[in-house]
Amino acid sequence: DAKTTQPPSMDCAEGRAANLPCNHSTISGNEYVYWYRQIHSQGPQYIIHGLKNNETNEMASLIITEDRKSSTLILPHATLRDTAVYYCIVRRSYNTNAGKSTFGDGTTLTVKP
Amino acid sequence: DGGITQSPKYLFRKEGQNVTLSCEQNLNHDAMYWYRQDPGQGLRLIYYSQIVNDFQKGDIAEGYSVSREKKESFPLTVTSAQKNPTAFYLCASSKGQINQDTQYFGPGTRLTVL
Repeated sequence: DAKTTQPPSMDCAEGRAANLPCNHSTISGNEYVYWYRQIHSQGPQYIIHGLKNNETNEMASLIITEDRKSSTLILPHATLRDTAVYYCIVRRSYNTNAGKSTFGDGTTLTVKP
Repeated sequence: DGGITQSPKYLFRKEGQNVTLSCEQNLNHDAMYWYRQDPGQGLRLIYYSQIVNDFQKGDIAEGYSVSREKKESFPLTVTSAQKNPTAFYLCASSKGQINQDTQYFGPGTRLTVL
């Protein structure tokens, strides 16, 4: 599975949009981009995923570049409760190796009042 | 409520003892996973299972063992062969189907070996 690169940390003002970038330049055609977040000492929480089209749900938006080599997670109106570590991973659609997805160190997002 | 449960939340063991961590899911998911997380680091895959009675090694399987006798359960045993067992252990499950393979995580078990 392709590896991802994320900045180690970012700050965002409360109420503003948080834009978290992820580089996945070696992504292959059948790999999805997934985003999770982890609040301290809890299990990671699924946020959103996509293949090549932009996606939006009640939590966030995912923008994937046309060449699929990078993506951006957008939290439209960040709150203090969005302070967490955000993980971008790439993951194949289900096959015999689908279980092996690599979580890097993620981006620590700190939302400030 | 549907979800994944891990017990206990905190676990203490003496060095040299085997310990088994519990993971149960009632989501009717086929696939289950175990990850290890060390302080300030990401998740590393220990073992995963895509179907009952079958499982595969992840990136750091040495010193660990698993079983998958029931769809709902995927216990992880940390053996005395694991050199640095103190860590946060996370279990996850997914449907294991094409286009529907989102992983859902349990609350984790923090293991401390004294």
